[in-house]
Amino acid sequence: KNQVEQSPQSLIILEGKNCTLQCNYTVSPFSNLRWYKQDTGRGPVSLTIMTFSENTKSNGRYTATLDADTKQSSLHITASQLSDSASYICVVSGRGNEKLTFGTGTRLTIIP
Amino acid sequence: EAGVAQSPRYKIIEKRQSVAFWCNPISGHATLYWYQQILGQGPKLLIQFQNNGVVDDSQLPKDRFSAERLKGVDSTLKIQPAKLEDSAVYLCASSLGISNQPQHFGDGTRLSIL
Repeated sequence: KNQVEQSPQSLIILEGKNCTLQCNYTVSPFSNLRWYKQDTGRGPVSLTIMTFSENTKSNGRYTATLDADTKQSSLHITASQLSDSASYICVVSGRGNEKLTFGTGTRLTIIP
Repeated sequence: EAGVAQSPRYKIIEKRQSVAFWCNPISGHATLYWYQQILGQGPKLLIQFQNNGVVDDSQLPKDRFSAERLKGVDSTLKIQPAKLEDSAVYLCASSLGISNQPQHFGDGTRLSIL
């Protein structure tokens, strides 16, 4: 069964600090892995999309890494800001049908 | 570029009543998705359209849920009759339908069943 697991479930850090969120998946065959940011009461917004051949991709202060061999990904946030408070969802797409499997997300809270 | 538009933003109904949600995708996006997101969980795909044809509706509770995408543009999702467990946010998303392209989400409709 295709699954995406994220950790931690929730995280609280001080403004200005860095943090790393984890994603493990069992989706096979693999097409791509996406990280989305979902603010409270809003729809998810795409941060990065990585294919099998990519092992890192950045979007401003967000840097995603992918290890397709171990089926793990991480999202690193540098110099966190209050506006980074949101849920971060890892999504994996299967090759062929492009069906998306969603993780349950990590709830990140930045405190001043 | 205008984003995915959804309405209404909020809806409160009693169980056994019916409700409908509307979605206008980004212009030119061939693929449209409806998701159900229960509080604290990731979105769950209900139905996927490619133009006006259904690609995947395997997780749509067809005894009470229906969706259509007339003319391959706007879409409506209907629930009839609603149950308490249908309380959730219903998200609409669209994409170009090309591999490795992101899905663009609307802000959803928050449905509460009393």
